[in-house]
Amino acid sequence: DIVMTQTPLSSPVTLGQPASISCRSSQSLVDSNGDTYLSWLQQRPGQPPRLLIYKISNRFSGVPDRFSGSGAGTDFTLTISRVEAEDVGVYYCTQATQFPWTFGQGTKVEIK
Amino acid sequence: EVQLVESGGGLVQPGGSLRLSCVASGFMFSSSWMSWVRQAPGKGLEWVANIQPDGSDEYSVDSVKGRFTISRDNAKNSLYLHMNTLRAEDTAVYYCASLDASITVRGTRVFDHWGQGTLVTVSS
Repeated sequence: DIVMTQTPLSSPVTLGQPASISCRSSQSLVDSNGDTYLSWLQQRPGQPPRLLIYKISNRFSGVPDRFSGSGAGTDFTLTISRVEAEDVGVYYCTQATQFPWTFGQGTKVEIK
Repeated sequence: EVQLVESGGGLVQPGGSLRLSCVASGFMFSSSWMSWVRQAPGKGLEWVANIQPDGSDEYSVDSVKGRFTISRDNAKNSLYLHMNTLRAEDTAVYYCASLDASITVRGTRVFDHWGQGTLVTVSS
C-alpha cells in the first residue's frame, strides 16, 4: 500500500499569513498513463470533507485562489497564501494512483 | 445541486450486519463511479470501496474484503454498503462520495461530492 505522510500534523497560523502543508508518498504517484492522481481535501469542524485540489495543482470549482497545490513524484505541497478564519479545519492529501486509495493522517490548521 | 444523503447507520453488536444506503441527486448517477469512505471517531479518513457506474466491477480495501459489499441501483439513484461480520474497529462515520461526477474533473479520480455521513457503532 502507498503510505501518505503529512507534515506538520498541526499548524497554528496567524490570520492573513501563509500556511503550507507537505505530503510525501512512499512510492511515486505517477500513473502508467503519465497522470498523477494526488488531491487535497478540507474538512471543517463537524462537516464532511470537501475537494479543494485535484491532480496536484488544479483547483476545484468554487475553491478560492488563495489555495494552491504543487509538487511531483512523491513530494507535494498545499499552500494557503493568506489564511482566513474559514480555513480552520483538517486538510488531507489523498492518492488514487494505486489501490487501495490512501489518505494522509491529516493536518490541523488553527488560528493562533 | 448535487446531494448525497446517507442512512442506515446505528448501533450493532459485534458479528452483526447492517446495510447503509445513499440516495443521490443533482448529477448523472448512472454514469458516475461511487465510493464509500469512513472516518473512525476522532481519526482520519479511510477509503472503503468503489463501484463502477454499471455495477459490474468494484474495489475495496483488504480489511473489509469478504465482509462488506458495495452495490447500486441506478433506477433508484441509490448506492449501498452491505456490512456483515461487523467488528469494533468498523465503528466510524461512513460517507458516500461521488467520483469524478462533475464535468470539470472527469477522469481525475477524485471524491468531488460528499454526503453528511452516517454513524455506525459496533459494540456490545
